Amino acid sequence: QSALTQPASVSGSPGQSITISCTGTSSDIGGYNYVSWYQHHPGKAPKLMIYDVNYRPSGVSDRFSGSKSGNTASLTISGLQAEDEADYFCSSYSGTSTLEVFGGGTKLTVL
Amino acid sequence: QVQLQESGPGLVKPSETLSLTCTVSGYSISSGYYWGWIRQSPGKGLEWIGSIYHSGSAYYTPSLRSRVTISLDTSKNHLSLKLTSVTAADTALYYCARPRKAGSVANTFDTWGQGTMVTVSS
Repeated sequence: QSALTQPASVSGSPGQSITISCTGTSSDIGGYNYVSWYQHHPGKAPKLMIYDVNYRPSGVSDRFSGSKSGNTASLTISGLQAEDEADYFCSSYSGTSTLEVFGGGTKLTVL
Repeated sequence: QVQLQESGPGLVKPSETLSLTCTVSGYSISSGYYWGWIRQSPGKGLEWIGSIYHSGSAYYTPSLRSRVTISLDTSKNHLSLKLTSVTAADTALYYCARPRKAGSVANTFDTWGQGTMVTVSS
């Protein structure tokens, strides 16, 4: 059982937009603007896509965007491409001694 | 470019100690930053295990604190993870990672290793 709740899977066709949600509590997502999103292709190192809710690291496509409302954060990918097919997981700073909590991950399938 | 590479036994017997190493290249671990370990159990989400500062001070997640030790070897530029009294629940893909910000203990990891799978079984 992960601390943050994500849908197990989402799918979309090339060119479409999809949104992945990540729900926590007021002790993590709702209390701080320190939500991150990672892209993970199995067998490779996870890649940071979004940090501090809606900031992109250098080199990350602007097709990726993040937002937050209350205890729920969201990752939106616009103009879906085949290469976007991967697992995506969220994380948040936690105001508890756990410090950082993660979601269970969402498998994105590009149809 | 900073690169991390985990290594260690892929199979550990129940009740024994899991020991992993993360070799860092492209950056001296004694220069700064916290360095962390994160794991992903099969079919479950990720779990932050703990982080250690270049000075040696460490933070651990409460659920594992009694069994885990993270240490640095600056001469070899690597960090280590030891987890004692393992059970099947410790079977996971173990990653080492570094936070994006120099002063951050465990938030926003922007540098990750590829991970190493550890199975706990007799």
